Amino acid sequence: DAGITQSPRHKVTETGTPVTLRCHQTENHRYMYWYRQDPGHGLRLIHYSYGVKDTDKGEVSDGYSVSRSKTEDFLLTLESATSSQTSVYFCAIGAISSTDTQYFGPGTRLTVL
Amino acid sequence: EDQVTQSPEALRLQEGESSSLNCSYTVSGLRGLFWYRQDPGKGPEFLFTLYSAGEEKEKERLKATLTKKESFLHITAPKPEDSATYLCAVLNTDKLIFGTGTRLQVFP
Repeated sequence: DAGITQSPRHKVTETGTPVTLRCHQTENHRYMYWYRQDPGHGLRLIHYSYGVKDTDKGEVSDGYSVSRSKTEDFLLTLESATSSQTSVYFCAIGAISSTDTQYFGPGTRLTVL
Repeated sequence: EDQVTQSPEALRLQEGESSSLNCSYTVSGLRGLFWYRQDPGKGPEFLFTLYSAGEEKEKERLKATLTKKESFLHITAPKPEDSATYLCAVLNTDKLIFGTGTRLQVFP
């Protein structure tokens, strides 16, 4: 298994509260990603990082921010959580290319009440 | 619009009953197609990458094939431990586009 951990694994929070999810890797990989997975939708990219302090938006970035101050850690923050952000969040590492693929963490199940 | 469609949404098989899962796609420039397996409560696990039409790859009871418009994941003589959701994703220039998956259940 790729060395990817996510914390917390489960979280229940209330609308309007800030939430930070952490992804930690031990593979020293340059690229890291945050996805969300919802019923009826494929995995959707929220934000990604291509190096320390280098990040960019994905398909569904509204309401989310990210930070990467160290190669091994990629943080996803919901500044003010909403019920529509109830989802399972996956972190991934690896380059998106025809010669490489992404490896996923175990996921964080977030419920916003 | 780039799109990936997987069918069927769910599939129930008897142990040993071979079948195929389909992934059809419309993308402007395919750079690769990926298959993943996802068990309940876990992250997707990489299975195969296919790069060009006509390519095939195998792993145990699984065989993936690719044409210009779709990919098939053939499961030969499945076992209960093959039960999972199988995800397909296509690489278009710089992003992965995922399908919604096929949930496979194999009964003994």
